[in-house]
Amino acid sequence: QVQLQESGSGLVKPSQTLTLTCGVSGGSISSGGYSWSWVRQPPGKGLEWIGYVYNTETSYYSPSLRSRVTMSMDKSKNHFSLRLTSVTAADTAVYYCVRDKYSGYDLDRDSYDGMDVWGQGTTVTVST
Amino acid sequence: QSVLTQPPSASGSPGQRVTISCSGSNSNIGSRYVDWYQQLPGTAPKLLIYRNDHRPSGVPDRFSGSKSGTSASLAISGLRSDDEGDYFCAGWDDNLSGPNYVFGTGTKVSVL
Repeated sequence: QVQLQESGSGLVKPSQTLTLTCGVSGGSISSGGYSWSWVRQPPGKGLEWIGYVYNTETSYYSPSLRSRVTMSMDKSKNHFSLRLTSVTAADTAVYYCVRDKYSGYDLDRDSYDGMDVWGQGTTVTVST
Repeated sequence: QSVLTQPPSASGSPGQRVTISCSGSNSNIGSRYVDWYQQLPGTAPKLLIYRNDHRPSGVPDRFSGSKSGTSASLAISGLRSDDEGDYFCAGWDDNLSGPNYVFGTGTKVSVL
């Protein structure tokens, strides 16, 4: 059974860069039929998709965060990462890493079967 | 703000049926599948329904999803106290900025 675990800085200063890593256990990040997403949830608010990555070199980001986000995968370490630059207080949130499931290996939206595995979440606070 | 709109709250007595709506547009629900997530207090969200009406393994058949036009619904039958939590619809939105997976505004379900 695949499990995900977020790690990284819990406190980031305004204008600096937030970096988080998601360790994958119980399965390989290279397995076909999956992409790897980040989702965040500000305190007391709803969920926001940040973006996803797969095949190491392919990534898609939310239009609202695209200018500040970079995601990457490290197959040798079986983990994937999130980098968010120029953070402000509005980036304070619980950050979840997620596995996206697809019914096939094409990883297109028409074969998307939802976010089937979630990490427990890690709280990131942006403050001086 | 989210492009998928849900009622802020819904409630029912134990054993009753509760329905949650999710309203979107032609660029999302009208042309794409809808997923539903359950978030119990203090926990990470969990996939409840995918592709409008499919349940992942382990999700009870008390939970069911449907879609019509630009709206979708989640029904919870035989409501239980441990169903209390937040429920979010979600799906892909196609717009000029590129693909975007959007979540609904969320509905808090209370068991009276």
